[in-house]
Amino acid sequence: AQRVTQPEKLLSVFKGAPVELKCNYSYSGSPELFWYVQYSRQRLQLLLRHISRESIKGFTADLNKGETSFHLKKPFAQEEDSAMYYCALTGTSGSRLTFGEGTQLTVNP
Amino acid sequence: GAVVSQHPSRVICKSGTSVKIECRSLDFQATTMFWYRQFPKQSLMLMATSNEGSKATYEQGVEKDKFLINHASLTLSTLTVTSAHPEDSSFYICSARDPGTGGINEQFFGPGTRLTVL
Repeated sequence: AQRVTQPEKLLSVFKGAPVELKCNYSYSGSPELFWYVQYSRQRLQLLLRHISRESIKGFTADLNKGETSFHLKKPFAQEEDSAMYYCALTGTSGSRLTFGEGTQLTVNP
Repeated sequence: GAVVSQHPSRVICKSGTSVKIECRSLDFQATTMFWYRQFPKQSLMLMATSNEGSKATYEQGVEKDKFLINHASLTLSTLTVTSAHPEDSSFYICSARDPGTGGINEQFFGPGTRLTVL
């Protein structure tokens, strides 16, 4: 079975502060991990995926297989980063995405 | 990028009626589409996986006779909530997989449909 856990439902930081959104997963094979973001009144959209190893909007995430984690980080948070963030996993068999519970990030001025 | 639309965006119906929600991939062909349900302040729960030309695969606990899914073409999947009741009120989101862009496992999401059953 595959499972994604985001321990923080709410996270509040001040503008310019570092932010880390935690994600842990459980999967017996080699997973593919994603971070999706949902801004207010907008659809869910892909933020980044671990196989791309890229930085999007200043966010990065590294897959740590030893700790089964895929935490999302940004060194200097901006107010426009305020949104709902979902960590998601899919297995080697393909398409089925399992989402975490989500973390509502609020960046205060 | 790939765009997925849903129609209607919002629907209110009486208890006992059926409601159809459409999900379309606008600029790509989606061999696989997914239907999710999202309760307020909760995560997305996968309801079913819809493959073009074949029967949908439902997740455990999802009534296939209540939530009818049809994926008759490569750009359209429909979800019909039959004999809707107030407990079916929720936010329904579809997504589509386009193997041609973004890698085989990337899904593109629709804007969602808010269903309210009175």
